[in-house]
Amino acid sequence: AQRVTQPEKLLSVFKGAPVELKCNYSYSGSPELFWYVQYSRQRLQLLLRHISRESIKGFTADLNKGETSFHLKKPFAQEEDSAMYYCALAKIGGTSYGKLTFGQGTILTVHP
Amino acid sequence: DTGVSQNPRHKITKRGQNVTFRCDPISEHNRLYWYRQTLGQGPEFLTYFQNEAQLEKSRLLSDRFSAERPKGSFSTLEIQRTEQGDSAMYLCASSQVTQRDGYTFGSGTRLTVV
Repeated sequence: AQRVTQPEKLLSVFKGAPVELKCNYSYSGSPELFWYVQYSRQRLQLLLRHISRESIKGFTADLNKGETSFHLKKPFAQEEDSAMYYCALAKIGGTSYGKLTFGQGTILTVHP
Repeated sequence: DTGVSQNPRHKITKRGQNVTFRCDPISEHNRLYWYRQTLGQGPEFLTYFQNEAQLEKSRLLSDRFSAERPKGSFSTLEIQRTEQGDSAMYLCASSQVTQRDGYTFGSGTRLTVV
Protein backbone atom coordinates (compact mmCIF):
# COMPACT_ATOMS: atom_id res chain seq x y z
CA ALA A 1 0.00 0.00 0.00
CA GLN A 2 1.16 3.52 -0.70
CA ARG A 3 1.37 6.14 2.01
CA VAL A 4 2.32 9.82 2.16
CA THR A 5 3.38 11.52 5.39
CA GLN A 6 3.68 15.24 5.99
CA PRO A 7 5.04 15.52 9.51
CA GLU A 8 4.26 19.21 10.04
CA LYS A 9 0.64 20.33 10.21
CA LEU A 10 1.67 23.97 10.66
CA LEU A 11 4.74 25.88 9.48
CA SER A 12 5.36 29.57 10.08
CA VAL A 13 8.16 31.63 8.58
CA PHE A 14 8.89 35.31 8.01
CA LYS A 15 8.89 36.90 4.59
CA GLY A 16 12.22 36.43 2.85
CA ALA A 17 13.18 33.37 4.93
CA PRO A 18 13.80 29.97 3.35
CA VAL A 19 11.02 27.44 3.66
CA GLU A 20 10.97 23.67 3.44
CA LEU A 21 7.82 21.56 3.61
CA LYS A 22 8.59 17.94 4.33
CA CYS A 23 7.06 14.95 2.59
CA ASN A 24 7.94 11.29 3.04
CA TYR A 25 6.37 8.41 1.20
CA SER A 26 6.25 4.64 1.29
CA TYR A 27 5.73 2.67 -1.89
CA SER A 28 7.62 -0.28 -3.26
CA GLY A 29 7.23 0.48 -6.95
CA SER A 30 7.98 3.49 -9.16
CA PRO A 31 6.00 6.47 -7.92
CA GLU A 32 5.33 9.86 -9.36
CA LEU A 33 5.25 12.61 -6.75
CA PHE A 34 3.27 15.83 -6.82
CA TRP A 35 2.72 18.92 -4.73
CA TYR A 36 -0.75 20.46 -4.69
CA VAL A 37 -1.65 23.79 -3.13
CA GLN A 38 -4.88 25.33 -1.90
CA TYR A 39 -4.95 29.09 -1.41
CA SER A 40 -7.63 30.68 0.74
CA ARG A 41 -11.09 30.30 -0.85
CA GLN A 42 -9.66 28.63 -3.94
CA ARG A 43 -9.71 25.11 -5.32
CA LEU A 44 -6.98 22.60 -4.83
CA GLN A 45 -4.53 22.94 -7.72
CA LEU A 46 -1.33 21.40 -8.97
CA LEU A 47 1.85 23.24 -7.95
CA LEU A 48 4.49 20.97 -9.41
CA ARG A 49 5.31 17.38 -10.21
CA HIS A 50 8.56 15.52 -9.95
CA ILE A 51 8.79 14.36 -13.54
CA SER A 52 8.60 17.86 -15.00
CA ARG A 53 11.52 19.11 -12.88
CA GLU A 54 10.19 22.64 -13.12
CA SER A 55 10.40 25.49 -10.67
CA ILE A 56 6.95 26.93 -10.10
CA LYS A 57 6.54 30.23 -8.23
CA GLY A 58 10.10 29.77 -7.00
CA PHE A 59 9.35 26.35 -5.48
CA THR A 60 11.37 23.25 -6.25
CA ALA A 61 11.16 19.66 -5.04
CA ASP A 62 13.68 16.88 -5.38
CA LEU A 63 12.81 13.23 -5.24
CA ASN A 64 15.19 11.36 -2.95
CA LYS A 65 14.52 7.67 -3.47
CA GLY A 66 17.04 6.64 -0.83
CA GLU A 67 15.27 8.64 1.85
CA THR A 68 11.84 8.25 0.18
CA SER A 69 11.30 11.98 0.44
CA PHE A 70 9.99 14.75 -1.79
CA HIS A 71 10.47 17.93 0.21
CA LEU A 72 9.24 21.25 -1.20
CA LYS A 73 11.63 24.18 -0.94
CA LYS A 74 11.72 27.87 -1.64
CA PRO A 75 14.72 30.07 -0.83
CA PHE A 76 12.79 33.28 -0.09
CA ALA A 77 9.19 32.94 1.11
CA GLN A 78 6.58 35.52 0.12
CA GLU A 79 3.34 36.40 1.93
CA GLU A 80 1.34 35.13 -1.05
CA ASP A 81 2.81 31.66 -0.46
CA SER A 82 0.60 31.29 2.60
CA ALA A 83 -1.64 28.32 1.83
CA MET A 84 -2.30 24.64 2.52
CA TYR A 85 0.17 22.35 0.76
CA TYR A 86 -0.42 18.68 0.02
CA CYS A 87 2.11 16.13 -1.10
CA ALA A 88 0.67 13.33 -3.25
CA LEU A 89 1.83 10.09 -4.85
CA ALA A 90 0.63 8.16 -7.89
CA LYS A 91 1.61 4.70 -9.06
CA ILE A 92 2.95 4.51 -12.58
CA GLY A 93 2.01 1.70 -14.92
CA GLY A 94 3.50 2.34 -18.36
CA THR A 95 2.08 5.67 -19.45
CA SER A 96 -0.92 5.29 -17.18
CA TYR A 97 -1.10 6.77 -13.72
CA GLY A 98 -3.17 5.38 -10.91
CA LYS A 99 -5.04 7.36 -8.33
CA LEU A 100 -3.36 9.99 -6.17
CA THR A 101 -2.73 9.32 -2.49
CA PHE A 102 -2.49 12.55 -0.51
CA GLY A 103 -0.72 13.45 2.68
CA GLN A 104 -2.49 15.25 5.50
CA GLY A 105 -1.28 18.65 4.41
CA THR A 106 0.85 21.45 5.87
CA ILE A 107 -0.50 24.93 6.48
CA LEU A 108 2.20 27.44 5.60
CA THR A 109 1.94 30.93 7.03
CA VAL A 110 4.37 33.59 5.87
CA HIS A 111 4.47 36.58 8.19
CA PRO A 112 5.35 40.09 6.95
CA ASP B 1 -15.31 24.82 -20.61
CA THR B 2 -15.30 26.31 -17.16
CA GLY B 3 -13.38 23.57 -15.42
CA VAL B 4 -14.77 20.92 -13.10
CA SER B 5 -18.24 21.72 -11.83
CA GLN B 6 -19.86 20.19 -8.76
CA ASN B 7 -23.44 20.48 -7.61
CA PRO B 8 -24.78 21.24 -5.13
CA ARG B 9 -22.19 23.32 -3.27
CA HIS B 10 -23.78 22.57 0.07
CA LYS B 11 -26.17 19.89 1.24
CA ILE B 12 -27.75 19.51 4.65
CA THR B 13 -29.66 16.31 5.18
CA LYS B 14 -31.20 14.35 8.01
CA ARG B 15 -29.65 11.11 9.12
CA GLY B 16 -31.05 8.20 7.17
CA GLN B 17 -31.86 10.17 4.02
CA ASN B 18 -30.26 9.52 0.63
CA VAL B 19 -28.22 12.19 -1.14
CA THR B 20 -26.80 12.46 -4.64
CA PHE B 21 -24.02 14.71 -5.87
CA ARG B 22 -23.11 15.53 -9.44
CA CYS B 23 -19.75 16.25 -11.06
CA ASP B 24 -19.16 17.59 -14.57
CA PRO B 25 -15.51 17.13 -15.54
CA ILE B 26 -13.41 18.87 -18.16
CA SER B 27 -14.67 17.47 -21.44
CA GLU B 28 -11.25 16.36 -22.74
CA HIS B 29 -10.48 14.41 -19.57
CA ASN B 30 -11.28 10.72 -19.60
CA ARG B 31 -10.46 10.14 -15.92
CA LEU B 32 -12.82 11.22 -13.14
CA TYR B 33 -12.11 10.86 -9.42
CA TRP B 34 -14.09 11.20 -6.22
CA TYR B 35 -12.41 12.08 -2.93
CA ARG B 36 -13.69 12.85 0.55
CA GLN B 37 -12.05 15.36 2.85
CA THR B 38 -12.69 15.92 6.54
CA LEU B 39 -11.33 18.73 8.69
CA GLY B 40 -7.59 18.57 9.15
CA GLN B 41 -7.11 15.69 6.75
CA GLY B 42 -5.95 15.37 3.19
CA PRO B 43 -8.30 14.21 0.44
CA GLU B 44 -9.14 10.52 0.86
CA PHE B 45 -9.68 8.45 -2.26
CA LEU B 46 -13.15 7.01 -2.86
CA THR B 47 -13.32 5.83 -6.46
CA TYR B 48 -12.35 6.68 -10.01
CA PHE B 49 -13.50 6.13 -13.59
CA GLN B 50 -11.83 5.96 -16.94
CA ASN B 51 -14.54 6.90 -19.39
CA GLU B 52 -17.60 4.99 -18.14
CA ALA B 53 -15.66 2.16 -16.47
CA GLN B 54 -15.19 2.28 -12.69
CA LEU B 55 -11.57 1.17 -12.33
CA GLU B 56 -11.09 1.25 -8.59
CA LYS B 57 -13.15 1.66 -5.46
CA SER B 58 -11.72 2.21 -1.99
CA ARG B 59 -12.08 -0.66 0.44
CA LEU B 60 -13.01 1.96 2.99
CA LEU B 61 -16.12 2.75 1.02
CA SER B 62 -19.20 1.11 2.47
CA ASP B 63 -21.97 -0.41 0.40
CA ARG B 64 -24.03 2.71 1.07
CA PHE B 65 -21.86 4.60 -1.41
CA SER B 66 -22.26 4.18 -5.14
CA ALA B 67 -20.94 6.13 -8.08
CA GLU B 68 -21.76 6.12 -11.76
CA ARG B 69 -20.51 7.70 -14.93
CA PRO B 70 -23.01 6.35 -17.42
CA LYS B 71 -21.86 7.96 -20.65
CA GLY B 72 -18.31 8.73 -19.73
CA SER B 73 -19.14 12.38 -19.15
CA PHE B 74 -20.69 13.56 -15.86
CA SER B 75 -20.69 11.42 -12.75
CA THR B 76 -22.96 11.03 -9.74
CA LEU B 77 -22.09 9.93 -6.23
CA GLU B 78 -24.96 8.62 -4.12
CA ILE B 79 -24.91 8.00 -0.39
CA GLN B 80 -27.79 5.95 0.96
CA ARG B 81 -29.02 6.02 4.56
CA THR B 82 -26.66 8.83 5.49
CA GLU B 83 -24.91 8.82 8.87
CA GLN B 84 -23.34 11.67 10.80
CA GLY B 85 -19.92 10.29 9.99
CA ASP B 86 -20.60 10.95 6.31
CA SER B 87 -20.39 14.70 6.95
CA ALA B 88 -17.44 15.90 4.88
CA MET B 89 -16.39 17.77 1.77
CA TYR B 90 -16.78 15.59 -1.31
CA LEU B 91 -14.32 16.51 -4.03
CA CYS B 92 -14.43 15.61 -7.68
CA ALA B 93 -11.44 15.88 -10.00
CA SER B 94 -10.67 14.99 -13.58
CA SER B 95 -7.49 14.37 -15.51
CA GLN B 96 -5.98 12.86 -18.59
CA VAL B 97 -4.70 9.31 -18.23
CA THR B 98 -1.11 10.56 -18.18
CA GLN B 99 -1.94 13.21 -15.58
CA ARG B 100 0.27 15.48 -17.68
CA ASP B 101 -1.34 18.52 -16.08
CA GLY B 102 -2.28 16.80 -12.85
CA TYR B 103 -5.79 16.72 -11.49
CA THR B 104 -8.25 19.56 -12.00
CA PHE B 105 -10.44 19.79 -8.93
CA GLY B 106 -13.95 21.06 -8.49
CA SER B 107 -14.99 23.29 -5.62
CA GLY B 108 -16.50 20.37 -3.76
CA THR B 109 -19.86 19.58 -2.19
CA ARG B 110 -20.04 20.07 1.54
CA LEU B 111 -22.35 17.54 3.15
CA THR B 112 -23.72 18.01 6.65
CA VAL B 113 -25.74 15.19 8.16
CA VAL B 114 -27.84 16.26 11.13
